[in-house]
Amino acid sequence: QSALTQPASVSGSPGQSITISCTGTSSDVGSYNLVSWYQQHPGKAPKLIIYAGNKRPSGVSNHFSGSKSGNTASLTISGLQAEDEADYYCCSFADRNTWVFGGGTKVTVL
Amino acid sequence: QVQLVQSGAEVKKPGASVKVSCKASGYTFTDYYIHWVRQAPGQGLEWMGWVNPNSGDTNSAQSFQGRVTLTRDTSISTAYMELNRMTSDDTAIYYCARVPGGFNYYLDYWGQGTLVIVSS
Repeated sequence: QSALTQPASVSGSPGQSITISCTGTSSDVGSYNLVSWYQQHPGKAPKLIIYAGNKRPSGVSNHFSGSKSGNTASLTISGLQAEDEADYYCCSFADRNTWVFGGGTKVTVL
Repeated sequence: QVQLVQSGAEVKKPGASVKVSCKASGYTFTDYYIHWVRQAPGQGLEWMGWVNPNSGDTNSAQSFQGRVTLTRDTSISTAYMELNRMTSDDTAIYYCARVPGGFNYYLDYWGQGTLVIVSS
């Protein structure tokens, strides 16, 4: 059970849009529309921002959005803000009722 | 309000075991699965496993099978993660997190994390 593949870092200027990819296999992302995304600021616990591929929990800004194509899920942050600077992790339900996380992506706001 | 409160930091020697607790409040403990996730220093999140507080059923990642035990005590709304035969590679923050009821597959509330240091 290998970790999902995410880019190590993505950067953008305030107001820009960025997209973080999360590539899995037919045993996880490709077979289940059950990808969630988490934001983690330094020293803090992760926070849920997207679930079931493209749904936002109550209270999460609508400048976060999710999508999926084949074995790859994506998180888009539109209108990048300083407070979006954090680490982002994807997570997918997988075969044998297990879960798997991505390696994480550090987002830098220039 | 929903809260998951974990036990305090631990320092263990190589070969030892650790047992981390996660006390739930603000909801019906037996209605929501509890998952365990760890994060080594400067590294990403790693899924460890889950426990169904209602039935006691568990499942864990292959990399931890045989070394991790997930249990719960419904009388005190607390889940436990015990990790055996630890090495320095097990130094990490260990989190518990809740999955909402129904056919949901995401972690909506997280504990504050428990730092476990393995050092001789």
